[in-house]
Amino acid sequence: SQKIEQNSEALNIQEGKTATLTCNYTNYSPAYLQWYRQDPGRGPVFLLLIRENEKEKRKERLKVTFDTTLKQSLFHITASQPADSATYLCALDPLPGKSTFGDGTTLTVKP
Amino acid sequence: KAGVTQTPRYLIKTRGQQVTLSCSPISGHRSVSWYQQTPGQGLQFLFEYFSETQRNKGNFPGRFSGRQFSNSRSEMNVSTLELGDSALYLCASSSNPGTGAYEQYFGPGTRLTVT
Repeated sequence: SQKIEQNSEALNIQEGKTATLTCNYTNYSPAYLQWYRQDPGRGPVFLLLIRENEKEKRKERLKVTFDTTLKQSLFHITASQPADSATYLCALDPLPGKSTFGDGTTLTVKP
Repeated sequence: KAGVTQTPRYLIKTRGQQVTLSCSPISGHRSVSWYQQTPGQGLQFLFEYFSETQRNKGNFPGRFSGRQFSNSRSEMNVSTLELGDSALYLCASSSNPGTGAYEQYFGPGTRLTVT
């Protein structure tokens, strides 16, 4: 069956460093992958979408890579700030309107 | 543009009761998806509606149902509530589901507690 795994439940880093989050998937052939940010008690917020034919995508301090051979996406936050502390979710969309989400990685950026 | 709104934000119900949750998508968005989020199971897809038709459905029992109105507003209903139904219910709307490459805009969620 389809499965998404995000590398760890929690990631702690120091302010100013680069945070790298991993999303691995099996039994999927997604056309695209999305990353969301979720703060406690709130709905996820869309960050980036990357298509299978795109190796890398950037948005300000965010960078996403998509390796369909490794079946993996990496999500980077450069020059991290305490305000980046949140849970980050990856999602694959095998069918329109039906996103399958990973369990998320909770990032804590310490000042 | 106003975001996705969900009502009510918090709800406490007793086992066996039923509940109806409401979602108003972003203006112009015709696709509405519903998700259940719990600490143990994460975000689980319930169903998706597009132009008043249910297009996709997740693996939830028939006690979970929904509908969409002509103005794209959507409701979901849970009958015969169980303790395990306690969760954050999230609604998401999107504008371009047909091509597959789209982003979803989530509402703040409805926190349902079943006692």
